[in-house]
Amino acid sequence: GESVGLHLPTLSVQEGDNSIINCAYSNSASDYFIWYKQESGKGPQFIIDIRSNMDKRQGQRVTVLLNKTVKHLSLQIAATQPGDSAVYFCAENDGGSTLGRLYFGRGTQLTVWP
Amino acid sequence: EPEVTQTPSHQVTQMGQEVILRCVPISNHLYFYWYRQILGQKVEFLVSFYNNEISEKSEIFDDQFSVERPDGSNFTLKIRSTKLEDSAMYFCASWGQSSSGNTIYFGEGSWLTVV
Repeated sequence: GESVGLHLPTLSVQEGDNSIINCAYSNSASDYFIWYKQESGKGPQFIIDIRSNMDKRQGQRVTVLLNKTVKHLSLQIAATQPGDSAVYFCAENDGGSTLGRLYFGRGTQLTVWP
Repeated sequence: EPEVTQTPSHQVTQMGQEVILRCVPISNHLYFYWYRQILGQKVEFLVSFYNNEISEKSEIFDDQFSVERPDGSNFTLKIRSTKLEDSAMYFCASWGQSSSGNTIYFGEGSWLTVV
């Protein structure tokens, strides 16, 4: 069943600051996690993913941290830009589900102020 | 950059009417999905499709819903008799290798309004 949730529904940051968006999950069988960005009226856009055999993964300006002990996932965005304003979702796939069956959290609205 | 494409982008239909939403997954992907998002809510899984058959479906995907891959490129979602509560954004997705690696890619969605 569904197990992904988010700590904060909204986050406001100033342009140039770093952003941290958090996500909690409860299913210890979850082994694959994805962060998506969704702009208004558009589909989820892949940002970065991480598998349960890792605890950190870096992309361009983004870092995902996975703490399996406390079942916590975070997305760090460096030097946040106005174009980063969107809703950010974490999603998980547990090993017992079909490949690609994702459970989404409700999302965090990130607003970047100039 | 390959992408999942969906049509129509927006459809308004009367309650009780049949609706078909169309998707062209990324070519060479083998796993296909439909998700939906009711306004203001989270994205929810509907169904996954592999090797020309449903591999998993959620409790939302009842007898009113069906999926089909009529040819080598299209993947469709049919709602036989729409209800008001079917109003949502419907996302098609496919799993495979593309620009961001081997993962699941979503289309831009089809916004369905049932009146």
